[in-house]
Amino acid sequence: NAGVTQTPKFRVLKTGQSMTLLCAQDMNHEYMYWYRQDPGMGLRLIHYSVGEGTTAKGEVPDGYNVSRLKKQNFLLGLESAAPSQTSVYFCASSAPGQGKETQYFGPGTRLLVL
Amino acid sequence: SQQGEEDPQALSIQEGENATMNCSYKTSINNLQWYRQNSGRGLVHLILIRSNEREKHSGRLRVTLDTSKKSSSLLITASRAADTASYFCATDADQTGANNLFFGTGTRLTVIP
Repeated sequence: NAGVTQTPKFRVLKTGQSMTLLCAQDMNHEYMYWYRQDPGMGLRLIHYSVGEGTTAKGEVPDGYNVSRLKKQNFLLGLESAAPSQTSVYFCASSAPGQGKETQYFGPGTRLLVL
Repeated sequence: SQQGEEDPQALSIQEGENATMNCSYKTSINNLQWYRQNSGRGLVHLILIRSNEREKHSGRLRVTLDTSKKSSSLLITASRAADTASYFCATDADQTGANNLFFGTGTRLTVIP
């Protein structure tokens, strides 16, 4: 049982390049989330999904797109990377219902945009 | 932004001492959670307290919640060097049922052996 995994662990991009971050969970969770963590800012929600085929915007969605084609996977895309997107990206998952609000986090992807 | 704030930003104590961290938030909440993050790692859930609860314990952790002041505190008793980490509060104020969380800015705890 791997929990939440993220690939890649680290990536360097040039401004304007695109990339996709992959998140996978094996806990059969309905809900999945993408966050970014910047120094002194805590975690901020980018996009989230409450089920296969559904996505919604979070607090800081601009410059990102997401897809949830399979229940276990949640992809975060950067179409044209900018230096302001240099950050550590975390994926998380949780289940619906009271008593299940805990979010389980992946190890993170460190992205540097030059 | 609904992001909460934590106080202090950094805390350094001797092993065996107690550590207290505070969190303030801005809106009504469903629950408040505390997470721990070791350097370079993902976040790990520690404890959840619901809006109708005032205090909760889990092992060496004690959490209080004051909804009238929109604040919470996390107490770690008898600290250990292994408790060295960043601690974040996160509020669930979501009305859509998606368990969306808003995280505080974190307290960096250093426990000196």
